[in-house]
Amino acid sequence: EVQLVESGGGLVKPGGSLRLSCAASGFTFSSYSMNWVRQAPGKGLEWVSSISSSSSYIYYADSVKGRFTISRDNAKNSLYLQMNSLRAEDTAVYYCARCYGDLYYFDYWGQGTLVTVSS
Amino acid sequence: DIQMTQSPSSLSASVGDRVTITCQASQDISNYLNWYQQKPGKAPKLLIYDASNLETGVPSRFSGSGSGTDFTFTISSLQPEDIATYYCQQYDNLPPVTFGGGTKVEIK
Repeated sequence: EVQLVESGGGLVKPGGSLRLSCAASGFTFSSYSMNWVRQAPGKGLEWVSSISSSSSYIYYADSVKGRFTISRDNAKNSLYLQMNSLRAEDTAVYYCARCYGDLYYFDYWGQGTLVTVSS
Repeated sequence: DIQMTQSPSSLSASVGDRVTITCQASQDISNYLNWYQQKPGKAPKLLIYDASNLETGVPSRFSGSGSGTDFTFTISSLQPEDIATYYCQQYDNLPPVTFGGGTKVEIK
């Protein structure tokens, strides 16, 4: 059974940093591109970042470019999102989501982890 | 960036009704259009990929159509368990991936 489990969310002050993790199981993690998608309270879905299976291709939304860094460790079946210079508008539930191979439809999602940026 | 305009933003329908949601892309995206269902407090679930392909295990009352800039998502007979917010998502010409604003479906 495919499982994606996010962790690392919490309360952080504006300007602070946080590192999210996503532990994957039930599939060959190293064969799939992975993504972070977020959802602000009461709002819609916003794609944040993607990383290809071998980390050769990395993309970011303009809203996080230069502040967030996506990475993965295929040996540990884990996806990460390093978030720096956090702003109030980064407050959201962050989901990790698997691409279908290298195609950008997201066939499995984690349960999400809440990041709250507030003083 | 490609913008996705989804309508309506909400709708109310009776059990058994046919429900239709539209999604319009700001430029031609071929068939690179997916549909998701999100129930309150839950992660989104993929229903339709590449405009018209039903994801494995998804009931056949859900369907999608369209290509280019105009797409339609249909629930042929609304069931109580279909109460959710539905999102379209395009993945042509990355980055970025973009989602529509969502359609909240309620029971009348």
